[in-house]
Amino acid sequence: SQTIHQWPATLVQPVGSPLSLECTVEGTSNPNLYWYRQAAGRGLQLLFYSVGIGQISSEVPQNLSASRPQDRQFILSSKKLLLSDSGFYLCAWNGDWETQYFGPGTRLLVL
Amino acid sequence: SQELEQSPQSLIVQEGKNLTINCTSSKTLYGLYWYKQKYGEGLIFLMMLQKGGEEKSHEKITAKLDEKKQQSSLHITASQPSHAGIYLCGADTSGTYKYIFGTGTRLKVLA
Repeated sequence: SQTIHQWPATLVQPVGSPLSLECTVEGTSNPNLYWYRQAAGRGLQLLFYSVGIGQISSEVPQNLSASRPQDRQFILSSKKLLLSDSGFYLCAWNGDWETQYFGPGTRLLVL
Repeated sequence: SQELEQSPQSLIVQEGKNLTINCTSSKTLYGLYWYKQKYGEGLIFLMMLQKGGEEKSHEKITAKLDEKKQQSSLHITASQPSHAGIYLCGADTSGTYKYIFGTGTRLKVLA
C-alpha cells in the first residue's frame, strides 16, 4: 500500500533562517506530487506541483522553492523565511482517478 | 473571490441530527473530492465524484454532484461526535490535475 511521509511534524524558525521540508512517498512510482500551504482560516493554497524528477511548476510567486531530486521525494525550501511563511504545509500525491492523498503535514511557525 | 465556495463556514449540531455542507464552483468540475481534516492533521480522503448526478455513500456520509457539475453536497445522517472536524471540498476545474480547495466547513457535534 502507498504511504506518504512528511517531516518534521513541527518547526519553529526565526525570520531570515533557511527552511527545508521533506516529503516522501512509498509504494508507488512516478507520482504527481504537490505542496500546499494552509493558513489559519483559509483554504489550501497550491504552491508547487511536480509531474516528474526535476520538473517543478510554481503556482504563486514567493520566496519558497521546491525540488524533486528523486522520483518519490519532494522538498520545499527557502533561503530566508518571512513571518508570512508561517502555516501548515501539506504534501500530496495523485492516486487512482486523480484522487489526491495527503501527508500528515508540517506546522511551521516563523518568529 | 474563491473559485470554490463552501457553506456554511461552521456548523454546530446536536448528536443525532442530520446536516448538509455545500460546495459551489464557478466553473465546471472535472472531479470533486471531499476530505475531512482534524486540527493539525493531514486531510483524509472521503469520496470522489466525477459524473453529473453521481451520488456516493460511505457509512453515514453521502455526497452528491449535481447534473451541471458545478455544485456538490455532503450530507451526514445521524451525526456523531466522531464526525467533528473540518470538511473540505477540492476540485479539478481545469482538467490539468491542479486542484483548488474550498475554505472548509468546521463541524462540531455536541454530545
